[in-house]
Amino acid sequence: QTVVTQEPSLTVSPGGTVTLTCASSTGAVTRDFYPSWFQQKPGQAPKALIYNTKFTHSWTPARFSGSLLGGKAALTLSRVQPEDEADYYCLLYFDGAQRKVFGSGTKVTVL
Amino acid sequence: EVQLVESGGGQVKPGGSLRLSCSASGFTFSDYNINWVRQAPGKGLEWVSSISSVGTYTYYADSVSGRFTISRDNVKNSVFLQMNSLRAEDTAVYFCARDRYSSGWNFDVWGQGTLVAVSS
Repeated sequence: QTVVTQEPSLTVSPGGTVTLTCASSTGAVTRDFYPSWFQQKPGQAPKALIYNTKFTHSWTPARFSGSLLGGKAALTLSRVQPEDEADYYCLLYFDGAQRKVFGSGTKVTVL
Repeated sequence: EVQLVESGGGQVKPGGSLRLSCSASGFTFSDYNINWVRQAPGKGLEWVSSISSVGTYTYYADSVSGRFTISRDNVKNSVFLQMNSLRAEDTAVYFCARDRYSSGWNFDVWGQGTLVAVSS
């Protein structure tokens, strides 16, 4: 069974920078896993932030960026705002998109 | 406005069945795959199933394979998830969401979800 692992929780100060990572039990995450990132606030549906490793949607604030870092997918939040406090999930595609696996999620606290 | 709206959730006894619907508007429905993703209370997201843009291909997570069936009607702009032999562990909010391949996979728009509660 494929497991995708994220940091359970991270804390960042307003105006600061934090990087979340997404690792696969199958080995290094590459562009071929088409990493996506989603933000979810309490009681709301997830909202897409990043797709295909680093591409942003029209609604994605510029302070969010995606990359690959040391064999993992990464989401960097710069100039963090209080409203960025949320759960963040990555998504990886496997087996030619026949399987999709979400990461375990990271709770980001802005304090 | 691009929109996905789920319906059909409710309370059901273990072993029972339920059929969820996902209704789309504001975009060319037949250009997109549709996925079902669920979230158990207080837990993370779990991909459940997906169907290709014209319904040729269907895929399932191991946890639901053989019990759930995904289908679509591109005339009615709708996707359905038939859930049989339901278990307590199927209790979750079920979201539908679209994706498609365009120089890479783009999983973008989500519905608001419908709650399924499996309990005796």
